[in-house]
Amino acid sequence: QSVLTQPPSVSGAPGQRVTISCTGSSSNIGAGYDVHWYQQLPGTAPKLLIFGTTSRPSGVPDRFSGSKSGTSASLAITGLQAEDEADYYCQSFDSSLSTSVFGGGTKLTVL
Amino acid sequence: QVQLQESGPGLVKPSETLSLTCTVSGGSMNSQYWSWIRQPPGKGLEWIGYIFYSGSTNYNPSLKRRVRISVDTSKKQFSLKLSSVTAADSAVYYCAKLLTYGSGSNYNEAFDIWGQGTMVTVS
Repeated sequence: QSVLTQPPSVSGAPGQRVTISCTGSSSNIGAGYDVHWYQQLPGTAPKLLIFGTTSRPSGVPDRFSGSKSGTSASLAITGLQAEDEADYYCQSFDSSLSTSVFGGGTKLTVL
Repeated sequence: QVQLQESGPGLVKPSETLSLTCTVSGGSMNSQYWSWIRQPPGKGLEWIGYIFYSGSTNYNPSLKRRVRISVDTSKKQFSLKLSSVTAADSAVYYCAKLLTYGSGSNYNEAFDIWGQGTMVTVS
């Protein structure tokens, strides 16, 4: 089991808003470490989607946003599009392990 | 823009050593951290370890006994060796550049550039 917990799947219709949660603990997200999100389109490598909990790298649409509260973080996608169908992973640093940790991933299905 | 490309055998026999190389192009390796991450078929991402350009390393505790990462900045390459492999080590192996910022309790790290990945089957 992953150190960070994500729902296995979420779904939404085109144009809708979906959120993906990422729950950690007091040694990672709760300790104040940033959360990063990656998008993995089918058959491709992961791509950094949200950096430093809330920032978008150049080229990432503003439909994607990140937030954090306590020991959890969330990725929100508004105006859902068919091309958003992918696996999404959260990642943070864990002070107890002194390593990066990933969530188990969430598969987003666009209905 | 930095680009990464993994290379190495796609098939390794059980109990042998898996060896992969990542070639860096489009930028310098200096003052950067370089990582390996793997993804078993249909499963999530697992961080394997990283190496600083100067050679210092940090490994996933669950793999530490079997992993070694090395770097050759003159060739702009870093490499992964995983010994005593079993079928459970079958995965897509990615190399990635690790972006670090902050220090102490404000230290953070993220994987900002990834290679395309290479599938390694242990059989």
